[in-house]
Parts: sequence; structure tokens; C-alpha cells
Amino acid sequence: GAVVSQHPSWVICKSGTSVKIECRSLDFQATTMFWYRQFPKQSLMLMATSNEGSKATYEQGVEKDKFLINHASLTLSTLTVTSAHPEDSSFYICSARAVTGDTEAFFGQGTRLTVV
Amino acid sequence: GQNIDQPTEMTATEGAIVQINCTYQTSGFNGLFWYQQHAGEAPTFLSYNVLDGLEEKGRFSSFLSRSKGYSYLLLKELQMKDSASYLCAVMDSNYQLIWGAGTKLIIKP
Repeated sequence: GAVVSQHPSWVICKSGTSVKIECRSLDFQATTMFWYRQFPKQSLMLMATSNEGSKATYEQGVEKDKFLINHASLTLSTLTVTSAHPEDSSFYICSARAVTGDTEAFFGQGTRLTVV
Repeated sequence: GQNIDQPTEMTATEGAIVQINCTYQTSGFNGLFWYQQHAGEAPTFLSYNVLDGLEEKGRFSSFLSRSKGYSYLLLKELQMKDSASYLCAVMDSNYQLIWGAGTKLIIKP
């Protein structure tokens, strides 16, 4: 199957700083990438959908100025958590889809963010 | 609204069979997925159903009834490593995945 690489796997940062998470499709071109957040013992929550070259579409309740998403190329999307707070501590997962309407989305390994 | 329902937790015995149910109500339907997620890890793909019926893949099978808005994941010959959360997700008319909360499966020796 297709490979999606997410980096870093885990990060600890101080409150008030920004953290960037990268999501790369290694062997296919991802026209659409999805960013999810998962709190302990809860389901995946879609944060935003991004299509290459256009602005991300954020889900209701997700602050677009706080969670900056850039999908500048067909193989790379980044999520930047700005001015992080302890409540932003969570597991962030990206997934990528090659062609609109394709049946399967491939997941990155996830990033465990801890804000102290 | 869109809704995916699955049991919160199930317990089964090693070597046995377990069936995890999923019911859904979504705006449109472009397939139903089952994913396995071990604690602290990203989900891994198990199955995809878009037509009614049973899809078998080794020890795992997935069933879909679109008219009933119902699916189940069947796990046979359970192994301890099958202890994980199992997520049901439906792709809606906009090709967005709607996720269930997941079923935590506990396997006992």
C-alpha cells in the first residue's frame, strides 16, 4: 500500500510556542490531505481538509488561526499549532488520498503532542 | 445529522469469535471502512465494503447491509494481539469519512 510519513512522532513543547507537524506521501501524489485529532479514549475528530494549492477547509469549532495548515505540494502538508497550550496536547494524525473519490485514505503514524 | 454507532467495549476469549456491530446514518454513502487501532498508534486499514454482502479476508470478515444502515466486523480465532480499538467509518456523499467512536476489544486468555 501507499506510504504516508508523518514527522515528528512525538514532541514536547512549552506553552506559548509553535509546533509544526509534517505529513508526506512518499510514493503517490496526494491531492487531498486530512488532519485529525484524537484525545485519549475518543474517536478521531476531523480538524480540516486540505487540497493542494488551495486553502484548507476547517471543521466547525476548529480555530484556523491557531491550527495553520499548508498543502503547498502534492506530497507535503503541514500542520502548525501556534501558541500551543496544554489543552492542545493530543494525538494528531494525517491521512492522504490520491484521487478525489478514491476509496482509501492512507494514514501517517501520528504525532503525540505534549504541551507543558 | 450524521451518526455512527458502535459498542464502546467488548470482551472475548482467545481462540473464540467476536462480532462488532456498526450502524450508521449519513448523508450519502460511498463505502464503509473498518480500521484497527492499537493504543498510541495510527489506525490501520482492515476492510472496505460498498456493496451488500460479506467480504472475507483471512481471520477478518466484514458485512454490509445498505438498506439497514448496518455493518459488522467478524474476527475469528482471536489472538491476544487482536486486543485493540476497532473503528467503523462511513464515506459520505462528499467523500468525507465519518468516524464512529470505536469499540475497544479486550481479549482474555
